[in-house]
Amino acid sequence: GAGVSQSPSNKVTEKGKDVELRCDPISGHTALYWYRQRLGQGLEFLIYFQGNSAPDKSGLPSDRFSAERTGESVSTLTIQRTQQEDSAVYLCASSYGLAVRTQYFGPGTRLLVL
Amino acid sequence: KNQVEQSPQSLIILEGKNCTLQCNYTVSPFSNLRWYKQDTGRGPVSLTIMTFSENTKSNGRYTATLDADTKQSSLHITASQLSDSASYICVVSGGGADGLTFGKGTHLIIQP
Repeated sequence: GAGVSQSPSNKVTEKGKDVELRCDPISGHTALYWYRQRLGQGLEFLIYFQGNSAPDKSGLPSDRFSAERTGESVSTLTIQRTQQEDSAVYLCASSYGLAVRTQYFGPGTRLLVL
Repeated sequence: KNQVEQSPQSLIILEGKNCTLQCNYTVSPFSNLRWYKQDTGRGPVSLTIMTFSENTKSNGRYTATLDADTKQSSLHITASQLSDSASYICVVSGGGADGLTFGKGTHLIIQP
């Protein structure tokens, strides 16, 4: 079956603009995660959705970042008033159930803020 | 503080040689430990996942070990191939805001 997909694959934007990143998880996966990976750095947790529970937003770096998920399907990560330090690869992952299950990662969206 | 430390940061070996990557963690409580391979420009791909009771798990030429007493894990790569060039990330479940604590990865380069 299809894996996790993300769009766009690449995004170049000007400082101050808003961007929306999309993630389509594997069908049936109840958990969805967003991560950020800056060049040469490790993965940085942003937000976690699990079923119908309230999302864990504790990793969002500022109030310019927000994310939504429709049921147990598509998620959108929105960055408002982008800054140059937002330039990174944004990775989405999904899993079935909780921590024991392996996460499946999407290919990522490469965001460059000029 | 929950932490995952990986070593070495980077490693260069010749094609065909073996290598071992290390992961030490201080995550508590512990649920499971995973190794991911991340090719440049791609998302991470799971190699192995081990729970508390598992000491060794293999996936082809990749063998992961876990010592839950000393909180150490290793990833051994046998007969390395050029396609093994990637970053290898150790992830421990049981800590972190999302229940996961990520290591910064080991960048492995296989030279012909």
